[in-house]
Amino acid sequence: QKEVEQNSGPLSVPEGAIASLNCTYSDRGSQSFFWYRQYSGKSPELIMFIYSNGDKEDGRFTAQLNKASQYVSLLIRDSQPSDSATYLCAVWPGNTGKLIFGQGTTLQVKP
Amino acid sequence: SAVISQKPSRDICQRGTSLTIQCQVDSQVTMMFWYRQQPGQSLTLIATANQGSEATYESGFVIDKFPISRPNLTFSTLTVSNMSPEDSSIYLCSVEGDGDNSGNTIYFGEGSWLTVV
Repeated sequence: QKEVEQNSGPLSVPEGAIASLNCTYSDRGSQSFFWYRQYSGKSPELIMFIYSNGDKEDGRFTAQLNKASQYVSLLIRDSQPSDSATYLCAVWPGNTGKLIFGQGTTLQVKP
Repeated sequence: SAVISQKPSRDICQRGTSLTIQCQVDSQVTMMFWYRQQPGQSLTLIATANQGSEATYESGFVIDKFPISRPNLTFSTLTVSNMSPEDSSIYLCSVEGDGDNSGNTIYFGEGSWLTVV
């Protein structure tokens, strides 16, 4: 089992819809969870981080964490074509600084 | 958040040569991290660079191939030695920085895109 799993996609949604990106992880001791957006030819850009169970909202983005189910998701409301990118889920087990990345989900938002 | 600058941003390298990538941070940080992202792949941690001590390498990465320096709290270098086409990747420097009241987060530089021919 991979340490961090994501569906590679592509996930295709129409403009204005809600895009739901999912991620599961295997290490129950994981402390912190991150979502990075990576456009083609660019480096990863941090868009959300969450440490506690529940929802965390920032603009059009909502991160959801369920540690009991070892599941973290990212919701993008009112999706725009500019949101089309690869979204990387990353898990930080603790104080080592070693982020574990999933393979990424490619999101396509169609006008 | 931390501002991280990497040089070079891109380079085309000849097989068998070595290239040193520089990473400069706008604030003092304890740990700096070097990641690699091969084409179509996710990010893999190469090593953790702490100031004043030897870098800690992840499984599959060795110091002879990827020597790292960390002369102070704002700067690090990664050298890719004796390059082969398999080393064509994005190399990313990252640091731990302030997140929010709950904890810290990891920020990335713009990356160094290396193509080995």
